[in-house]
Amino acid sequence: KAGVTQTPRYLIKTRGQQVTLSCSPISGHRSVSWYQQTPGQGLQFLFEYFSETQRNKGNFPGRFSGRQFSNSRSEMNVSTLELGDSALYLCASSSGQAPWDEQFFGPGTRLTVL
Amino acid sequence: SQKIEQNSEALNIQEGKTATLTCNYTNYSPAYLQWYRQDPGRGPVFLLLIRENEKEKRKERLKVTFDTTLKQSLFHITASQPADSATYLCALAGRDDKIIFGKGTRLHILP
Repeated sequence: KAGVTQTPRYLIKTRGQQVTLSCSPISGHRSVSWYQQTPGQGLQFLFEYFSETQRNKGNFPGRFSGRQFSNSRSEMNVSTLELGDSALYLCASSSGQAPWDEQFFGPGTRLTVL
Repeated sequence: SQKIEQNSEALNIQEGKTATLTCNYTNYSPAYLQWYRQDPGRGPVFLLLIRENEKEKRKERLKVTFDTTLKQSLFHITASQPADSATYLCALAGRDDKIIFGKGTRLHILP
């Protein structure tokens, strides 16, 4: 079974730009969660989607948004990028039958904001 | 505010010994707790989940304990091997389904 894939793996943007990251979950998984990981703050939950609906949301500003498609693939968008948005963005998929079932993480997208 | 604390310093353990990692939390009543392993440049890998009504969980050389009175979880790796060297993250999820992660403990198993 193929694992969680994320594209692109690396991205460099400048302040004020916007970015879209993509995540393809494991086949059959209906839940996709997004996380931001930085050395200072660690791994922080952004949001979770299940069957195209946002089921849970962390404490991030509205510049961070996401969506999920009918095939469970998900995208995350960050608008008006700030230097502090530089981080590793991870997505994780699970069967979603119960929140926080075993999650399978992708390799992440390393975003650098200059 | 809710807080999770893991040993911020790296932990060095001799090969073959038991490594014990600690996860403490405050201002939180988790429904369950998870442990993950993360290697450099890769996403975390799920290891174990333990629920609030469980005291202990085992999987091969891994053991997790969960003490909701002490607000603490201990993660043990017995007969440790250099391949166990990684960063280990604990994560708590509450009844509101929000999950919070600790910053992780770097474990080095010395040959």
